[in-house]
Amino acid sequence: EVQLVESGGGLVQPGGSLRLSCAASGFTFSSFWMHWVRQVPGKGLVWVSRIKGDGSSTNYADSVKGRFTISRDNAKNTVYLQVNSLRAEDTALYYCARGASGSYYTDFWGQGTLVTVSS
Amino acid sequence: QSALTQPHSVSGSPGQSVAISCTGTSSDVGGYNYVSWYQQHPGKAPKLMIYDVSKRPSGVPDRFSGSKSGNTASLTISGLQAEDEADYYCCSYAGTFYVFGTGTKVTVL
Repeated sequence: EVQLVESGGGLVQPGGSLRLSCAASGFTFSSFWMHWVRQVPGKGLVWVSRIKGDGSSTNYADSVKGRFTISRDNAKNTVYLQVNSLRAEDTALYYCARGASGSYYTDFWGQGTLVTVSS
Repeated sequence: QSALTQPHSVSGSPGQSVAISCTGTSSDVGGYNYVSWYQQHPGKAPKLMIYDVSKRPSGVPDRFSGSKSGNTASLTISGLQAEDEADYYCCSYAGTFYVFGTGTKVTVL
């Protein structure tokens, strides 16, 4: 059974940083792209970033480029999102999702970790 | 990277059909056959309902169907059931990134 468990969220001041983690199980982690998607409570989904299975390629939404960094440790079956220079508008529930094999969509999602940026 | 446009809400009685549109541009919806749809119940993670415009994952009822014409994709729910009441989001691949729709609340009357 595919499982994705996010952690690392919390309350942080504007300008601060966090590292979000997503622990994966139930599939061959290194064979799949992994994504981060965020959702402001009560609002819509916004794609944030993705990383290729071997870590050799990454992509970002324009709104986070230069501030967020996605990475992965295939030995630990974990994908990370380093979030820096946080702004109030980064407050959201951050979901980790698995990219489908052979196409361009996400097929399994975690339950999310909440990041709140406030002074 | 603008969000795809969806109607804010649609509604229908049990057994009826509803359709949700998802309008983008030739750089996303119109440029790729990689539109997916997600269902999200309150407080839950999104669930994949349709991928590659019109394919259904295993376990998704066949009353859910997807299509695309030009820059607009659509999700149709036939034979609406109470458990279909949820938020629905489309998503399109756009070359090096992905873009989600604004979301549609489906209400079962």
